[in-house]
Amino acid sequence: EAGVAQSPRYKIIEKRQSVAFWCNPISGHATLYWYQQILGQGPKLLIQFQNNGVVDDSQLPKDRFSAERLKGVDSTLKIQPAKLEDSAVYLCASSLGTGRSWETQYFGPGTRLLVL
Amino acid sequence: AQSVTQLGSHVSVSEGALVLLRCNYSSSVPPYLFWYVQYPNQGLQLLLKYTSAATLVKGINGFEAEFKKSETSFHLTKPSAHMSDAAEYFCAVSDRQAGTALIFGKGTTLSVSS
Repeated sequence: EAGVAQSPRYKIIEKRQSVAFWCNPISGHATLYWYQQILGQGPKLLIQFQNNGVVDDSQLPKDRFSAERLKGVDSTLKIQPAKLEDSAVYLCASSLGTGRSWETQYFGPGTRLLVL
Repeated sequence: AQSVTQLGSHVSVSEGALVLLRCNYSSSVPPYLFWYVQYPNQGLQLLLKYTSAATLVKGINGFEAEFKKSETSFHLTKPSAHMSDAAEYFCAVSDRQAGTALIFGKGTTLSVSS
């Protein structure tokens, strides 16, 4: 079974530029998550989708971050304009989407972003 | 709000020694609890999870964790460390009432020396 795919793996940009990350979840997984992992900290949820609808985006900085999940499969996370503090690893995860809080989330390898 | 505290940002053990990584949660209602491992430049991999079926949970690679409600703890242990266990370990909780997103601790880096 293929895992969660993410691209690119690394990205270096200058502040005020824009950047986009792509995620392809495990086939059949209805729920998709984007987490931000700043160096030295645990991952923090940015946004959660159930199929192509947003379940939770309360911690997404909506003035600069946006995300979409068209057709309920792939997802794109965009930052525009980027700030220095956005330097982090962006992790995508997916789960079956049964709505049970104990279900396992499967993580992709992440995209490491450096903003200069 | 839920929170997770991992005591010790860095733990060092010798190969063959006991591994103990500490995790405490704050919640009036016992949450679901997870331990994930992250190897360099890789995503997080589930080690084990507590879903209230049994307080002692066995996971992959010889790890296990015990849920103790009275201590609000879910410490991770392994009887004998191996060099390949060197990684970063994250404890996480999922609120039974608030949904499925995970709240992570800050992580503990495990170093294993020969």
